Amino acid sequence: DQQVKQNSPSLSVQEGRISILNCDYTNSMFDYFLWYKKYPAEGPTFLISISSIKDKNEDGRFTVFLNKSAKHLSLHIVPSQPGDSAVYFCAASDGANSKLTFGKGITLSVRP
Amino acid sequence: DTEVTQTPKHLVMGMTNKKSLKCEQHMGHRAMYWYKQKAKKPPELMFVYSYEKLSINESVPSRFSPECPNSSLLNLHLHALQPEDSALYLCASSPMDSYGYTFGSGTRLTVV
Repeated sequence: DQQVKQNSPSLSVQEGRISILNCDYTNSMFDYFLWYKKYPAEGPTFLISISSIKDKNEDGRFTVFLNKSAKHLSLHIVPSQPGDSAVYFCAASDGANSKLTFGKGITLSVRP
Repeated sequence: DTEVTQTPKHLVMGMTNKKSLKCEQHMGHRAMYWYKQKAKKPPELMFVYSYEKLSINESVPSRFSPECPNSSLLNLHLHALQPEDSALYLCASSPMDSYGYTFGSGTRLTVV
């Protein structure tokens, strides 16, 4: 049973426009959510996170929104840059030092 | 130092070989993790160490044997692996009672 779902396998956007990456989860015990960026043959790089007590967290061009009632979160990248092209994983945790449950990832391509 | 260092970066081993993967961090993190990632799949948790003690084993086969000799080092001993064990093995660490996970770049393992 997939507890973290990223239903779109890929997204292509024009440079300078907004990228919106979506993530849904089913486990009500998840209380912390993270987004990671990953290049081929490298480990995931942390981007931004959000606690379940918040509905928005912003860091530069990256903003994560959390809708607990819908069990949905999204990552907004504005403006998108070609260097943002990578695989983005949504991950969730039900406690510190516990396991991270990852979604399948979404491949973002930003066109110049 | 804000990195998790994994060695080797690449490893090819036969099914009768014994090898070890190494992970090192000097951020003072007292929780360390092994994840396995197959191609086009999300990372999956294998083991969690908290204060150098194994706290989570996700039903991993005994041909994978983790070891945490001290608070900075984490090893994964490999013996009698199968070709289907070929994957990217990721190490991560985090402070205790925190969600601040940092991932290494991984070891690309090929079993022949």
